[in-house]
Amino acid sequence: DTAVSQTPKYLVTQMGNDKSIKCEQNLGHDTMYWYKQDSKKFLKIMFSYNNKELIINETVPNRFSPKSPDKAHLNLHINSLELGDSAVYFCASSQGPSGSTGTDTQYFGPGTRLTVL
Amino acid sequence: GQNIDQPTEMTATEGAIVQINCTYQTSGFNGLFWYQQHAGEAPTFLSYNVLDGLEEKGRFSSFLSRSKGYSYLLLKELQMKDSASYLCAVTRNDYKLSFGAGTTVTVRA
Repeated sequence: DTAVSQTPKYLVTQMGNDKSIKCEQNLGHDTMYWYKQDSKKFLKIMFSYNNKELIINETVPNRFSPKSPDKAHLNLHINSLELGDSAVYFCASSQGPSGSTGTDTQYFGPGTRLTVL
Repeated sequence: GQNIDQPTEMTATEGAIVQINCTYQTSGFNGLFWYQQHAGEAPTFLSYNVLDGLEEKGRFSSFLSRSKGYSYLLLKELQMKDSASYLCAVTRNDYKLSFGAGTTVTVRA
């Protein structure tokens, strides 16, 4: 059974399009995250939800909008895609938020490789 | 903010030992993680240190000194499959997990 899954695995699209990436976890965790990993392999937090409440919202263009319909799902919608959005997007989950000692180990999904042409 | 530094690359021979250092400067420090990431794959959890000292897990050990803002990951009896990127990550009291740029370890026969 896949613990954290993402769809699609690959996404190739034109500049200006709107796209969504979906994430689901079956670990019973309360906290979910979106990360962006650029071509230099630097992994950067974008958003985090705890019990469907947004707790981290980093300096990300407002073209990016996360949505958490329930604790097991966290989707990422991107409007008006730009060339610089090309990256691998990782979803992750943890039992509790980062900083909650003992419950904050994060488990990552397989990633979605987004290419904007 | 935070500053997390680790070497960019390291190379070692199969069967050898490699130590990857990580230094950090951050406010509200809570704990330090090490993750392994093979090329084209997701990061996977290796270790977590909250208190000072050494945590050992099989061939991998991780050390933390909170007063010095320093950690290392020790990989023993290196195998070819250990060729990967190793990410040092710091958790803070504001819920954020911040990653270093990663150290690419290449194991040679």
